[in-house]
Amino acid sequence: GQQVMQIPQYQHVQEGEDFTTYCNSSTTLSNIQWYKQRPGGHPVFLIQLVKSGEVKKQKRLTFQFGEAKKNSSLHITATQTTDVGTYFCADNQGGKLIFGQGTELSVKP
Amino acid sequence: EAGVAQSPRYKIIEKRQSVAFWCNPISGHATLYWYQQILGQGPKLLIQFQNNGVVDDSQLPKDRFSAERLKGVDSTLKIQPAKLEDSAVYLCASSGSGYEQYFGPGTRLTVT
Repeated sequence: GQQVMQIPQYQHVQEGEDFTTYCNSSTTLSNIQWYKQRPGGHPVFLIQLVKSGEVKKQKRLTFQFGEAKKNSSLHITATQTTDVGTYFCADNQGGKLIFGQGTELSVKP
Repeated sequence: EAGVAQSPRYKIIEKRQSVAFWCNPISGHATLYWYQQILGQGPKLLIQFQNNGVVDDSQLPKDRFSAERLKGVDSTLKIQPAKLEDSAVYLCASSGSGYEQYFGPGTRLTVT
């Protein structure tokens, strides 16, 4: 079946540094969603990207969808301790979400 | 607006025992999902309901897992008999007219 791959698996940064996680698929992604899961918590929806080459921003977070719709990225500028958690991308196939394995972000104050 | 409710929050059972989880979605949400999240992995969809009908259960291990949503509102997921590899967090999610899925707090199952 389809696999959605995320890299890196872990990322440790100093507060104030930038962070990027990448999501890749060997097949064309339908619509890509991003979720954040705090330690011990549940996934919380961040955004959905639909169009090829789409870029969306939410404050310090920038989301991109690749031109070929086979990859996506989430970039956080100037990380804060509140950004700690695991970030998941998910291919939205008509409501069926295929999740990547996530990137766990830790931020050292 | 109340979120997705799940119970119990934690459950410890021995292998070969049975267990049931309950989920109450956000009021008015027609679509309900059950996911299995093994430690260190992303959630994996087990079953998707639209009202009280099953839309997708292709990844549900039907020899031991069952789920129902009889009145199109709350839902139960059952495992019988449980295996060690069933240890995971079971997440329920719901969605309304939009594409965003709202997740509940999950049930952490430990099978010993």
